[in-house]
Amino acid sequence: DIQMTQSPSSLSASVGDRVTITCRASQGINNYLVWFQQKPGKVPELLIYAASTLQSGVPSRFSGSGSGTDFTLTISSLQPEDFATYYCQHYNSYPLTFGGGTKVEIK
Amino acid sequence: EVQLVESGGGSVQPGGSLRLSCAASEFTFSDHYMDWVRQAPGKGLEWVGRIRNKARSYTTEYAASVKGRFTISRDDSKNSLYLQMNSLETEDTAVYYCIRAGVITRGKSAMDVWGQGTTVTVSS
Repeated sequence: DIQMTQSPSSLSASVGDRVTITCRASQGINNYLVWFQQKPGKVPELLIYAASTLQSGVPSRFSGSGSGTDFTLTISSLQPEDFATYYCQHYNSYPLTFGGGTKVEIK
Repeated sequence: EVQLVESGGGSVQPGGSLRLSCAASEFTFSDHYMDWVRQAPGKGLEWVGRIRNKARSYTTEYAASVKGRFTISRDDSKNSLYLQMNSLETEDTAVYYCIRAGVITRGKSAMDVWGQGTTVTVSS
């Protein structure tokens, strides 16, 4: 099974900050990676697929990069509505697996 | 608007069974692979399993934690997805989400639209 490791598990940041979350796969997954955002009490929402393609309707301050085993999600200027937990997930092979999540909190 | 509505959650004793349903609307359900994902209270996301479409013979994949106990099925004529859960354990307590695998990248399908979830509690 492919293990997905996210770091950090949590971070504190201020509105306007640039935030970077990393996700590492235990083996190569090409670019078969998605990022989800989950706000408290809400359903996860797709932000990015194929490692770097922004889902329709997602603000351009979100971006993704990487291929192979190392990936990043960047929020260029953190907004109040971005405080949430972010999950990466690969879809290269079965079983599909998620990272443990990164909780972005207000500093 | 694409919509997925789960139902069938509830409380059950360990060893019991439960069947979840997911009603899909506003998209061509039969075209898509569909997934179930769960989230235990205060925990992260765990993929449960997937069912492919008719073109791929409705074949299924499961997480090791549920294989042999859970069965995913679908009825394209009713735009519905199901999760039959048997031999339930306390560790199966979670919110269960029905998800469309609607994004295709070079032949591989990724999850895009999530339902609101239904809660399953396994407790004696």
